[in-house]
Amino acid sequence: QVRLVESGGGVVQPGGSLRLSCAASGFSFTDYNMHWVRQAPGKGLEWVAFIRNSGGDKFYADSVKGRFTISRDTSNNTLYLQMNSLRAEDAAVYHCVKDKISVPGNYFDYWGRGTLVTVSS
Amino acid sequence: DIQMTQSPSSVSASVGDRVTITCRASRGITRWLAWYQQKPGTAPRLLIYEASSLQSGVPSRFSGSGSGTHFTLTINSLQPEDSATYYCQQADNYPWTFGPGTKVEIK
Repeated sequence: QVRLVESGGGVVQPGGSLRLSCAASGFSFTDYNMHWVRQAPGKGLEWVAFIRNSGGDKFYADSVKGRFTISRDTSNNTLYLQMNSLRAEDAAVYHCVKDKISVPGNYFDYWGRGTLVTVSS
Repeated sequence: DIQMTQSPSSVSASVGDRVTITCRASRGITRWLAWYQQKPGTAPRLLIYEASSLQSGVPSRFSGSGSGTHFTLTINSLQPEDSATYYCQQADNYPWTFGPGTKVEIK
């Protein structure tokens, strides 16, 4: 079955960096677009970043553009999110999400449990 | 960006009731809309895609309808395990955006 397991979250000071990882299994990783979606404590869902299955296209929310970088390593079926210049408003649970891709539109059909990022001095 | 709104923000209903949640998009998105269910402490779960297609494994008491800018999620015969927050999401265009959520509680 599809499994997405995030890691790399933690406490970081404002202006600091973190690299999140997502180990994917149970599906053909190279066939699917992937996303990161975050949820601040007690708040709603916010899409953060997208990477095409080929790795060729990457899109970002305006709130993270220029600070976050999404990437993927097909040799070990891992999705990454490099987060630099972190701000208090970046504090959230970050979910690794698989795109359904088999139909038009971008739907999020499998989600990891998430990794918590806390930004605090 | 496409803005998504939902109503009501919360609803309390009894087991067996029918619950309807509305989602509106700030511009037309044809039928590219999804609904998710999220229970406390867990990841969201895809219920409906393409406005009305039921995701595999989702109970048939969940249904979706709508097109353009107006969409609804209906839960027929509400069950105790349906207590959760429900989000709509436009799947039409980047940046993909979610509604603010509707909390469904069981009386």
